[in-house]
Amino acid sequence: DQQVKQNSPSLSVQEGRISILNCDYTNSMFDYFLWYKKYPAEGPTFLISISSIKDKNEDGRFTVFLNKSAKHLSLHIVPSQPGDSAVYFCAASFSGGYQKVTFGTGTKLQVIP
Amino acid sequence: GAVVSQHPSWVICKSGTSVKIECRSLDFQATTMFWYRQFPKQSLMLMATSNEGSKATYEQGVEKDKFLINHASLTLSTLTVTSAHPEDSSFYICSAPRDRDEKLFFGSGTQLSVL
Repeated sequence: DQQVKQNSPSLSVQEGRISILNCDYTNSMFDYFLWYKKYPAEGPTFLISISSIKDKNEDGRFTVFLNKSAKHLSLHIVPSQPGDSAVYFCAASFSGGYQKVTFGTGTKLQVIP
Repeated sequence: GAVVSQHPSWVICKSGTSVKIECRSLDFQATTMFWYRQFPKQSLMLMATSNEGSKATYEQGVEKDKFLINHASLTLSTLTVTSAHPEDSSFYICSAPRDRDEKLFFGSGTQLSVL
């Protein structure tokens, strides 16, 4: 039972353009959402997060949007850079995001120079 | 620098042997640590929660006798894959929450290959 889903396994974007990664969740009890970036054979690194009481959080080139009614969140990267190429995991938590998290299936982003 | 250290980074073993993976929190104490497993092109799936001083809590479908977890100190949790088989080949990752700033840190992962 995949409670956090990323329906696009891969995404290709031109350098300088916007990358939009999407994530859907099924459990309305999740109260914290996170995005992680992961390279092969490495652990995930935290990117940005958002509490369920907010609908937007911005950090530099990264913005996360949360639509609670639709149980949907998205990560916007603008402008996209080749160094952004990686697998991005959406994650959700019941406990403020710093304990157990449930990961999505991942989206492999390729930014083309 | 790394906040959570995981060793080894990769290990190859023969079928039937046991493999121990260590996860250490470097600058903080962690009463709880989490172990994940990732199969190729799949999500990271939580296997178990390691609790210092008490038994680990396993997720549904994870064999506790096969994946032994020991949280012997506030900075160290170990995962032992017992009697490993080729189907146990996977990428194993630990994580530890740091209470003082409520951040979750991940180890660099261990790639296990069972021949």
